[in-house]
Amino acid sequence: EVVLTQSPGTLSLSPGERATLSCRASQSVSSTFLAWYQQKPGQAPRLLIYGASSRATGIPDRFSGSGSGTDFSLTISRLEPEDFAVYYCQHYGGTPKTFGQGTKVEIK
Amino acid sequence: EVQLVESGGGLVQPGGSLRLSCAVSGFTFSTYWMSWVRQAPGKGLEWVANIKEDGSETYYLESVKGRFTISRDNAKNSLYLQMNNLRAEDTAVYYCAWGGSWYFNWGQGTLLTVSS
Repeated sequence: EVVLTQSPGTLSLSPGERATLSCRASQSVSSTFLAWYQQKPGQAPRLLIYGASSRATGIPDRFSGSGSGTDFSLTISRLEPEDFAVYYCQHYGGTPKTFGQGTKVEIK
Repeated sequence: EVQLVESGGGLVQPGGSLRLSCAVSGFTFSTYWMSWVRQAPGKGLEWVANIKEDGSETYYLESVKGRFTISRDNAKNSLYLQMNNLRAEDTAVYYCAWGGSWYFNWGQGTLLTVSS
């Protein structure tokens, strides 16, 4: 089972700033099998990135994903008010599918 | 427009059973894997089970094997999760999710509470 560790737990930033979220895997994984989701309070998660760097349909280009091996990241180039939320990474390269514990991006 | 609508959640006593349903529209249901993912109150996301397009393959989280059964009815565009011998730790919002790897879309979730 691949364990994903996200850091930091909470990121306090202001609108307009750049956010960089980290996701570290317990073993080397193919970038083909790494996704990112956004979840706002009381809502279902929303797919942002799959295959480590491919944006899902309708996702703004201020969201980008990168990484390989054990280290992956999600970058939000300039935070908009609607981007303050919890973000999860996911590995789907086998069974069980696993999620990181989440990073909360909050308004500073 | 893609829609996934879960139903069937509620309050169940430990050891009890419940069946969740997910009605799907907006995409060709019969050609995609489908999944259930849960989220305990205030916690993160946890994959529960998934099922192949034709129902011929199913996979489960270790802690639910033998207790939960995922199934689908492609004629009704519906996904199901039969849950037996429920435990307090199964308390969560259960989401129906489109896909077997990454999840294109999610339903709004249905809350299962296991408590006496």
